[in-house]
Amino acid sequence: QKEVEQDPGPLSVPEGAIVSLNCTYSNSAFQYFMWYRQYSRKGPELLMYTYSSGNKEDGRFTAQVDKSSKYISLFIRDSQPSDSATYLCAMRDASNTGKLIFGQGTTLQVKP
Amino acid sequence: ETGVTQSPTHLIKTRGQQVTLRCSSQSGHNTVSWYQQALGQGPQFIFQYYREEENGRGNFPPRFSGLQFPNYSSELNVNALELDDSALYLCASSRTDSPLHFGNGTRLTVT
Repeated sequence: QKEVEQDPGPLSVPEGAIVSLNCTYSNSAFQYFMWYRQYSRKGPELLMYTYSSGNKEDGRFTAQVDKSSKYISLFIRDSQPSDSATYLCAMRDASNTGKLIFGQGTTLQVKP
Repeated sequence: ETGVTQSPTHLIKTRGQQVTLRCSSQSGHNTVSWYQQALGQGPQFIFQYYREEENGRGNFPPRFSGLQFPNYSSELNVNALELDDSALYLCASSRTDSPLHFGNGTRLTVT
């Protein structure tokens, strides 16, 4: 079993829809949680960075962390065709800044 | 602010050869990490360097090695290339306890 599970999709939604992306994990030592967006032929771009449980909002993006359920989510409101990309969840424990454990990534397509 | 830059962008090598990939960290960042991303998969941690010392390693064999220089630039070296080493290699940098910022990677093809 992988430490971080993420449905690879693909997920296809119409423009303007609310998108929900999710990851589950097994390691209770994880304390830092991130969402990255990756366009084709590009490196991952940091979208959201959260510590421990709770919600964080940035524009159209909301990240939620539920440590008791070992479950994290990313919501995208008013989705745009430019949001079409692969979304990667990532997480780490407190011991090593550079060692992230990634999910497989979910491919999202937003249709005009 | 200059981001993380990697060179070369693409590389084709033959099985058994050696390769060196280069990374220039984002200004002010003291930690550099390297990742391997196979097609359709999430990145996998190779190792991390801090103050020119390796201080964390993933499940990769010793033929994967690295260097970090005083100016926080970095190299990833892979010896005795295998076909399965074909992947996107990503460099990321950060300050201590801050999120990683990635470059656009080097796509390595081993034939």
